[in-house]
Amino acid sequence: DQQVKQNSPSLSVQEGRISILNCDYTNSMFDYFLWYKKYPAEGPTFLISISSIKDKNEDGRFTVFLNKSAKHLSLHIVPSQPGDSAVYFCAATGNQGGKLIFGQGTELSVKP
Amino acid sequence: DSGVTQTPKHLITATGQRVTLRCSPRSGDLSVYWYQQSLDQGLQFLIQYYNGEERAKGNILERFSAQQFPDLHSELNLSSLELGDSALYFCASSAAPGLIAGELFFGEGSRLTVL
Repeated sequence: DQQVKQNSPSLSVQEGRISILNCDYTNSMFDYFLWYKKYPAEGPTFLISISSIKDKNEDGRFTVFLNKSAKHLSLHIVPSQPGDSAVYFCAATGNQGGKLIFGQGTELSVKP
Repeated sequence: DSGVTQTPKHLITATGQRVTLRCSPRSGDLSVYWYQQSLDQGLQFLIQYYNGEERAKGNILERFSAQQFPDLHSELNLSSLELGDSALYFCASSAAPGLIAGELFFGEGSRLTVL
């Protein structure tokens, strides 16, 4: 049972354009959502998060949007840079012992 | 550098064998989490410890076990290994028992190959 889903395994965008990565979840008990970025041969690193009491959180070029009614969140990267090329994981928690439930990841490729 | 150290980085072994993966959390972090990433899979939560006590359990097989020691380092023991156990095993740490406003800090992972 995949509670967090990232339906696009890969995404390719041109440098300078917007990258939009999507994530859907099924568990209505989730109240905190995070995005992690992972480069090859490294562990995932925290990027940005959003609480369920908000619908938007912005940090520089990165913005996360949460639509609770649709159980959907998205990560926008504007403008996209080649260094953003990585695998992006969406994760959620309902503070059930603190465990994070991760999606399968979306591999973003930003072309110069 | 996340501050989380995992050893070994790579491990190749045979079916039926037993291995131990080790994790040192960030200085001061009391929670340790173990995740498994198989090919084409997301990160699957295995188990969490907080200050030496098991806090949460995920899809961890009975052949796997873990513990957190008084110095807060953790070990993940995998026994009777099967081909399907080949994966990247990540350790992560956090300061708090839950994730109210924080995030996990991940190590670089231990890549296990079972032949």
